[in-house]
Amino acid sequence: KAGVTQTPRYLIKTRGQQVTLSCSPISGHRSVSWYQQTPGQGLQFLFEYFSETQRNKGNFPGRFSGRQFSNSRSEMNVSTLELGDSALYLCASSNGQGAGTFGSGTRLTVV
Amino acid sequence: DAKTTQPNSMESNEEEPVHLPCNHSTISGTDYIHWYRQLPSQGPEYVIHGLTSNVNNRMASLAIAEDRKSSTLILHRATLRDAAVYYCILRDDQGAGGTSYGKLTFGQGTILTVHP
Repeated sequence: KAGVTQTPRYLIKTRGQQVTLSCSPISGHRSVSWYQQTPGQGLQFLFEYFSETQRNKGNFPGRFSGRQFSNSRSEMNVSTLELGDSALYLCASSNGQGAGTFGSGTRLTVV
Repeated sequence: DAKTTQPNSMESNEEEPVHLPCNHSTISGTDYIHWYRQLPSQGPEYVIHGLTSNVNNRMASLAIAEDRKSSTLILHRATLRDAAVYYCILRDDQGAGGTSYGKLTFGQGTILTVHP
C-alpha cells in the first residue's frame, strides 16, 4: 500500500513569507502528526490531528498551525517565516493507536 | 513525558549482534517503550515496542528489565543498512484517554555505525 506522502520535498522561502506543507496519510489512517527536525533541537512534536480535530499540540508559537480535511489529508502552515524555521518537517500517520508511519519529509529553507 | 537516556553513539561490525541500551528510570506503569530508527535522508521508521514482556519481530528484539527501568534493543545480525539513529521513546498508550497516541517525544538517540 502507498506510504505517507509529503509535498513538496524541498522548498525555499524568504523571511516574512508564509508556507503551506501537505501530508497525505496512509489510506484508512485517521491520525496525522507533524514534527520539526533541526540539527540543534532534534525531532520535536508540533501537533496531531484526528478526525479533523486537533488532539495534541506541542510547544510552538502560534505562527505554526495545521488542519485536517475529511479525507484525512493534512496541511500545516507557518506564517511570517523566520530563519530558524529552516528544518525538515515530517508527518506521520496512524490508525489512532499504535505506531506511526512517517513520510520522508519536506525540507524547508528560509533565506 | 518520561525521559530516556541513550548513549550518543555505538559501533558494530557487519553480521555481529548489536545491543542498544536505553535507561528510563522514571517510567510509569502505563508507558510503553517504543523504538524508532531514522536512516539518512528518511523519516523515522518504527522498529518495535513493548510494555513488560520481551518482544520479537522480524526487525529486532526488545528486552525489558524486570523493573522496567531499562530496556535493550537487539539487532541479531547487523547489516550496513542498519546504520541509523535509534530512538528509544516512552509513550503513555493507555492513560490520558488515549489522547497521546500521536505524540512521540524523541530524545537525541544513538547513532549506530556498522563497519563492513
